[in-house]
Amino acid sequence: EVVLTQSPDTLSLSPGERATLSCRASHVVSANFVAWYQQRRGQSPILLIYSASLRAAGVPDRFSGSGSGTDFTLTITRVEPEDFAMYYCQQYGGSPPWTFGQGTKVEI
Amino acid sequence: EAQLLESGGGLGQPGGSLRLSCVASGFTFKNYPMTWVRQTPEKGLEWVATISGSGNNTYYQDSVKGRFNISRDNSRNTVFLQMAGLRVEDSARYFCAKCRLGGYYFDSWGRGVLVSVSS
Repeated sequence: EVVLTQSPDTLSLSPGERATLSCRASHVVSANFVAWYQQRRGQSPILLIYSASLRAAGVPDRFSGSGSGTDFTLTITRVEPEDFAMYYCQQYGGSPPWTFGQGTKVEI
Repeated sequence: EAQLLESGGGLGQPGGSLRLSCVASGFTFKNYPMTWVRQTPEKGLEWVATISGSGNNTYYQDSVKGRFNISRDNSRNTVFLQMAGLRVEDSARYFCAKCRLGGYYFDSWGRGVLVSVSS
């Protein structure tokens, strides 16, 4: 099983600042099959990024993903008020189980 | 736009059973794998089970293998999760999610249903 560890647990920022979220895998993720989700309080997750760097439809371009192998990053270039939420990475390379990281909270 | 609506959550007893349903709309249901994901404050998001579009292939998290069964009825655009042998640690919010073609990641999610297992 591929274990994903996200850091930091909490990121405290002001609107307009840059957010850098890390997701480290215990093993190489096949084909860099990593997705990122945003989950606002009391809501369902929303897909942001897939295949490590491809933005899902309708996702603002201030969100970007990068990385390969075992290290992946989600960047928000200028955090907007609606971006304060939980963020989760997920790997879907190879055989199941497909796993999630424990999440990073982006807070004001 | 895909929409997913879960039902069937509630209180279950240890060793008991519950059946979750998820009705889909807004896309060609039979073409897409479907998944159940659960979430707790302690463990976060956890993939539970996935079923292929045809229903011929199923995949399970080890902790639910042999106890849970995922199935689908493509004529009713519905995916099910039959949960048996319930454990306290199965208590969670259960989300139905649609997989993207070409990868087991999830581009649409339902609002989820709460399952609580307690005596």
